[in-house]
Amino acid sequence: LAKTTQPISMDSYEGQEVNITCSHNNIATNDYITWYQQFPSQGPRFIIQGYKTKVTNEVASLFIPADRKSSTLSLPRVSLSDTAVYYCLARGGSYIPTFGRGTSLIVHP
Amino acid sequence: EPEVTQTPSHQVTQMGQEVILRCVPISNHLYFYWYRQILGQKVEFLVSFYNNEISEKSEIFDDQFSVERPDGSNFTLKIRSTKLEDSAMYFCASSWTVDEKLFFGSGTQLSVL
Repeated sequence: LAKTTQPISMDSYEGQEVNITCSHNNIATNDYITWYQQFPSQGPRFIIQGYKTKVTNEVASLFIPADRKSSTLSLPRVSLSDTAVYYCLARGGSYIPTFGRGTSLIVHP
Repeated sequence: EPEVTQTPSHQVTQMGQEVILRCVPISNHLYFYWYRQILGQKVEFLVSFYNNEISEKSEIFDDQFSVERPDGSNFTLKIRSTKLEDSAMYFCASSWTVDEKLFFGSGTQLSVL
């Protein structure tokens, strides 16, 4: 199972771009990198998934370098409602999605 | 967007009692999961279910726990004799394939007194 490491917490302000980096040194060749968002008392919600280079959707971008040992979730122009915990998952040979402690993002006015 | 539905949203029970947590996964999904999250801690995997049988389970999922898909739509988690430490938010999730993203329900908050 690919172990992921993320910062425990981050602070930002409304309107800023936020980048959360996750390291996954032992990621397997066929693993995808998936990010989830969780608000208090709610289930995690899928944000974005990628394999390599860059993926963009309506809420975020995901940057994955060529060696795939890390990935960066980019949230453009955050608002107060983006305050949440963000989880990076990389399935390392096991198909069970396993959550780490995630990154607690607090967006200030 | 399709939803995973969980009932009840809150369940209070006495220690030693049996509880059944219910989930309705997204209709065409094939893989089903239960997770739990103790207050302030991370989301922990309990069990996965595919083709009407358990495919993986964690150390947490001991003999007190069981899962069932009784009628092709519902997916239940039973805790036979609850303990105080079973108090947590329990999340059901489903996915179409083993590699696809998971859709989570809004959870059942279980309080064991």
